[in-house]
Amino acid sequence: GAVVSQHPSRVICKSGTSVKIECRSLDFQATTMFWYRQFPKQSLMLMATSNEGSKATYEQGVEKDKFLINHASLTLSTLTVTSAHPEDSSFYICSARDGYSNQPQHFGDGTRLSIL
Amino acid sequence: GENVEQHPSTLSVQEGDSAVIKCTYSDSASNYFPWYKQELGKRPQLIIDIRSNVGEKKDQRIAVTLNKTAKHFSLHITETQPEDSAVYFCAASEMNTGFQKLVFGTGTRLLVSP
Repeated sequence: GAVVSQHPSRVICKSGTSVKIECRSLDFQATTMFWYRQFPKQSLMLMATSNEGSKATYEQGVEKDKFLINHASLTLSTLTVTSAHPEDSSFYICSARDGYSNQPQHFGDGTRLSIL
Repeated sequence: GENVEQHPSTLSVQEGDSAVIKCTYSDSASNYFPWYKQELGKRPQLIIDIRSNVGEKKDQRIAVTLNKTAKHFSLHITETQPEDSAVYFCAASEMNTGFQKLVFGTGTRLLVSP
């Protein structure tokens, strides 16, 4: 149980393109979803936290207008990287948690984003 | 905010040896400390976690210890195997209802040689 599905797994696109990444909880209600970014050989850095039906809370230094997060249902959150540039190339990972349980968050498989 | 430091950054051991990775945290309110194993290009996988009401937890070859007073916790892997080779991350969080904001350590690259 507790599966989080993230799509796509790999995106290669031109500079200036907007890219949408989906994160779905398949068998539990994700009251809270987290989006992380991981550069090569570095740790996971939290970008934002979203609670279902509320606006996302962004970490310091993360541009909310560039990284649009939507968490409209208890099973789906999306991250849109708007007007992506080469410096946005990274590994983006979502995680989800059922806040009404005492269980840890569960991670998706990640999306490798490459901007040319 | 919380700050988590992790050492060493790389660790090379021979198969069968033990490996120890240490982390320190800064926020005394943190009460949940998970450890993740991440293989290249894959998701982090939770391998063990500990809550602040417990000082030690063990699961087969893996154990975690927590010293709340000193604000540090450690991962111990015994009888290491080549398949244990990966990057390991510690994390700290204040775990309350509906929220679990994880702050990760910088990671330890473990290499187990046959």
